Parts: sequence; C-alpha cells; structure tokens
Amino acid sequence: SQQGEEDPQALSIQEGENATMNCSYKTSINNLQWYRQNSGRGLVHLILIRSNEREKHSGRLRVTLDTSKKSSSLLITASRAADTASYFCATDPLDSWGKLQFGAGTQVVVTP
Amino acid sequence: EAGVAQSPRYKIIEKRQSVAFWCNPISGHATLYWYQQILGQGPKLLIQFQNNGVVDDSQLPKDRFSAERLKGVDSTLKIQPAKLEDSAVYLCASSLQAGAMNEQFFGPGTRLTVL
Repeated sequence: SQQGEEDPQALSIQEGENATMNCSYKTSINNLQWYRQNSGRGLVHLILIRSNEREKHSGRLRVTLDTSKKSSSLLITASRAADTASYFCATDPLDSWGKLQFGAGTQVVVTP
Repeated sequence: EAGVAQSPRYKIIEKRQSVAFWCNPISGHATLYWYQQILGQGPKLLIQFQNNGVVDDSQLPKDRFSAERLKGVDSTLKIQPAKLEDSAVYLCASSLQAGAMNEQFFGPGTRLTVL
C-alpha cells in the first residue's frame, strides 16, 4: 500500500509561476523525502526533511512538514520548463528502517 | 561518480515467458533496492538487500519473482513466468547503508511490457 497521497494529481503552470503540491500520510515517520522523475527516467532525490523539522529550503525548493496533520508541501518558486516532471513524496515510517513508501505523484507541466 | 546502472532499458515479452533485469549499484553502497513502478503510480518496494543478504522481501511475489545479490554488488531480478500485470518499470536503487536518513540513488529503470 502507498503511504503518501499527493494532491493535486496534475498541475499545469506557466514559466515564472510557483507550483505547490501537497502530500498526506498515515503513520508516524522518521523523515519525508521528495523526488522528481522526468519522463522515462529514474527518480532524483530533491530534499529530505526530518520529523523534527518544520521547513527546509534548497535552491528554488521549499518543503514544509506538519507532523500533527501528517502532511507536507513542496513549493517550486519561479518555475522553468525544465521543472516539468512528476514529483513524488516518500515517507520513511518509524518502524521501517529506511524502507520508503511512495505516493502516486503529482505531474507538473510548465509551459514556456 | 558513476550512478546506478541498469540493463536492459526496455524489454518486451509474451506472457508466461521469463525475463531478467540487471543492476549495478554505486560503488561502496551496501544497500540495494528493487522497486516496481506501474504506470501512473509511485514506486513500490519489492526487495531490499544489505550486502548480499535480504532485509525485506515482504512485497515480492515469490511464486514468480526472485532476486539475488551474489557477492554483495550486482543484483538480478527475475520474473518467471511473466503475467500481463507485471508490465511496469523496474527501478533499482542503492544507498550507503540501510536505515533512516540514507538517500537512495535510482537507476534509469527497465521498462517491461508483457503482451
């Protein structure tokens, strides 16, 4: 079963706009990770946020985590056409020792 | 640094045939994972190795799927016999160690089509 649920399933924006996607999960976690997958490629790790962190930044990416609501968000600022991809959240549940559980992903299309 | 290598990149077979996928993890990575990603879904872990031992294979359909990691480096995943529902991308990933906070590095995947 997939622990994370992303919302929305698909997102279409123009270059320069911000893209926000959300992830909800069910059980307590060690950390939550976001990955990007370009069409036909493997997954690329974007950012990891620990369960005791509330916000983390990496370049144009901003991730928040609310463990009381069991939810996370990924914000991509000033989007570019190259950001077109599917974005997945993956949770590392407390009792799983690194065995990630992925959501179904948000498909983001950025048009020039 | 070389990434995770997988082959073949694409494979088309008929149902009831056998197929094998190969993965070479990043040098020095002790932990290796095989995931199945069905179209429109996120990856699902099939099996996790720590060196040459299996850590978790609870979601591996053992009646038809098998995997090994002899010598604790390369790994092969086999399906015998294949079913239509096995059509998916099979992703291999590796990390330095098992456990929380270890980033997983993914290969490009093998896209399997079962006709």
